[in-house]
Amino acid sequence: QIQLVQSGAEVRKPGASVRVSCKASGYTFTNFYIQWVRQAPGHGLEWMGIINPGGGSTTYAEKFRGRVTLTRDTSTRTVYMELRSLRSEDTGVYYCARGEFDMDVWGQGTTVIVSS
Amino acid sequence: QSALTQPRSVSGFRGQSVTISCSGTSGDIGRYNHVSWYQQHPDKAPKVMIFDVNKRPAGVPDRFSGSKSGNTASLTISALQGDDEGDYYCCSSTGSYSHVFGSGTKVTVL
Repeated sequence: QIQLVQSGAEVRKPGASVRVSCKASGYTFTNFYIQWVRQAPGHGLEWMGIINPGGGSTTYAEKFRGRVTLTRDTSTRTVYMELRSLRSEDTGVYYCARGEFDMDVWGQGTTVIVSS
Repeated sequence: QSALTQPRSVSGFRGQSVTISCSGTSGDIGRYNHVSWYQQHPDKAPKVMIFDVNKRPAGVPDRFSGSKSGNTASLTISALQGDDEGDYYCCSSTGSYSHVFGSGTKVTVL
């Protein structure tokens, strides 16, 4: 079946970086964009960015530009989200989701905790 | 890009209808027909309920409907059921592959 499986929870200190993976299966990987969405504890959904796994092109939300990088590995059907210079406000659940406009398949979410 | 504006909460009795509004600008909802709605239950990933303003994915009941007028999109849930309780978010394209979510609305079934 079509699914996105994300890597496990991470704990980082302020100033560090984190990389979250999102492995796709059940469909042609290069035919569908992947978006990333963040949800801080008790807060709403926040759009972070999008990558075209086919060509590798990316677009980032202005808020995260310069701190986030999306990459993909077509050989393993995996998209990566790296967030740098972490601060406590980056604590939350990070989701990958398939789609160029609407997001029809979601990963299970990866919890990232930033704490000293 | 500021979040789209949604009411914090709406409620209705079982069997009744509720409508959630999503207010944007001429640069997002007003310009693009790529408006989608997501349902989220506690500690679960969101689920798409409506895409492209008024289209339903396979498996989503026809009790869920979407519309748009000017810079405002709306989601209507008819014949409310207990499982409809949760948080609902709108999302709009803002051009050049960027997107913005709404602030979220908690739906309570009385």
